[in-house]
Amino acid sequence: AQSVAQPEDQVNVAEGNPLTVKCTYSVSGNPYLFWYVQYPNRGLQFLLKYITGDNLVKGSYGFEAEFNKSQTSFHLKKPSALVSDSALYFCAVRDWASNTGKLIFGQGTTLQVKP
Amino acid sequence: DTAVSQTPKYLVTQMGNDKSIKCEQNLGHDTMYWYKQDSKKFLKIMFSYNNKELIINETVPNRFSPKSPDKAHLNLHINSLELGDSAVYFCASSQEGRGDTQYFGPGTRLTVL
Repeated sequence: AQSVAQPEDQVNVAEGNPLTVKCTYSVSGNPYLFWYVQYPNRGLQFLLKYITGDNLVKGSYGFEAEFNKSQTSFHLKKPSALVSDSALYFCAVRDWASNTGKLIFGQGTTLQVKP
Repeated sequence: DTAVSQTPKYLVTQMGNDKSIKCEQNLGHDTMYWYKQDSKKFLKIMFSYNNKELIINETVPNRFSPKSPDKAHLNLHINSLELGDSAVYFCASSQEGRGDTQYFGPGTRLTVL
């Protein structure tokens, strides 16, 4: 079965420090991986995706993610965190095993950036 | 110029009532989805329509019935509401294709009393 795991419920970072939000996946076939961010009382906003090509993917708001096939990981990173980055982050994988393309989400990681 | 919109944003109702949530997208996408986010923020697919045809129907009580009058609209009707239906419901859309991104609406917070 296709699955996504975000091992940390919460990540705390000081403003200006680098941040990493972890994601591991399990899929059959090629993974199509996504990161979304959810600000309080808002919908999900697309940050970036990996489909194929360069393992380092750049996205919105200065975020990037590194696809690592051997470790089946797709960690989200940012070199210098901002207080405004505080939000709930979701990793997701497109489930093509079911031939429907639905997104399977991780449980979410709350990022807290402190001034 | 909202891409994916939902109405209403908040819905408070009594157990046993019937209610509908509407979703519209102006992105020209051919596929639309309904997701449910529970109190622990966990997101799960409920339904998906492609060109008005139902393609995903997860294990959802048959009190939930999606309707797609055209490919820009996907509505969710819920009969005989129960306390456990309280959640945030998100609509999303994408252009069918393996790498295509799903874009989400702002959500509808349903509270059943």
